[in-house]
Amino acid sequence: DAMVIQNPRYQVTQFGKPVTLSCSQTLNHNVMYWYQQKSSQAPKLLFHYYDKDFNNEADTPDNFQSRRPNTSFCFLDIRSPGLGDAAMYLCATAGTSGSGQYFGPGTRLTVT
Amino acid sequence: RKEVEQDPGPFNVPEGATVAFNCTYSNSASQSFFWYRQDCRKEPKLLMSVYSSGNEDGRFTAQLNRASQYISLLIRDSKLSDSATYLCVVNFYSGGYQKVTFGTGTKLQVIP
Repeated sequence: DAMVIQNPRYQVTQFGKPVTLSCSQTLNHNVMYWYQQKSSQAPKLLFHYYDKDFNNEADTPDNFQSRRPNTSFCFLDIRSPGLGDAAMYLCATAGTSGSGQYFGPGTRLTVT
Repeated sequence: RKEVEQDPGPFNVPEGATVAFNCTYSNSASQSFFWYRQDCRKEPKLLMSVYSSGNEDGRFTAQLNRASQYISLLIRDSKLSDSATYLCVVNFYSGGYQKVTFGTGTKLQVIP
């Protein structure tokens, strides 16, 4: 089945220790998104790619970076995680801008 | 005013009841609209797109009112399995730029 896969599902990292979250998709979608979701809050868009074009939300901290080496894969790098970065990180894909998105199961990040 | 607003609920309804949620948005140039459901500690799942003409999928009916800038979701004959948080999503896109905004969600609890 075509799907969006995120690894790992759970990640524990130490304060200030870089961490990378990965997302892959078999849907061959052009658009990939990264969201941060904290408890009882809406998913917050961090950035997205339309093909190789990177779009950073204005309020996304510089601590968050992303890479998309090819259509199928996208990575979220958190350079120096703080306690406030503990959250669920969701990857999503869409065929085009403005179409419905398909989410991966998320990576729950804990910062100790 | 928030960009996308939803009544957080919870809506507690008996099985078989009809329940309706509304979502208002502030950007009149928004172009596409969706409803997602999210179960506790899971990823959002696309429920349906929302069109001005209204659209129906089984027990679910979605409607868009551009003049009043709100979207609605109607669930008929509620099932226990409908218990979840329902998120509305509003998209604006132009060229390669896209702004995706999630509402904070409305929690539905269907009671036996």
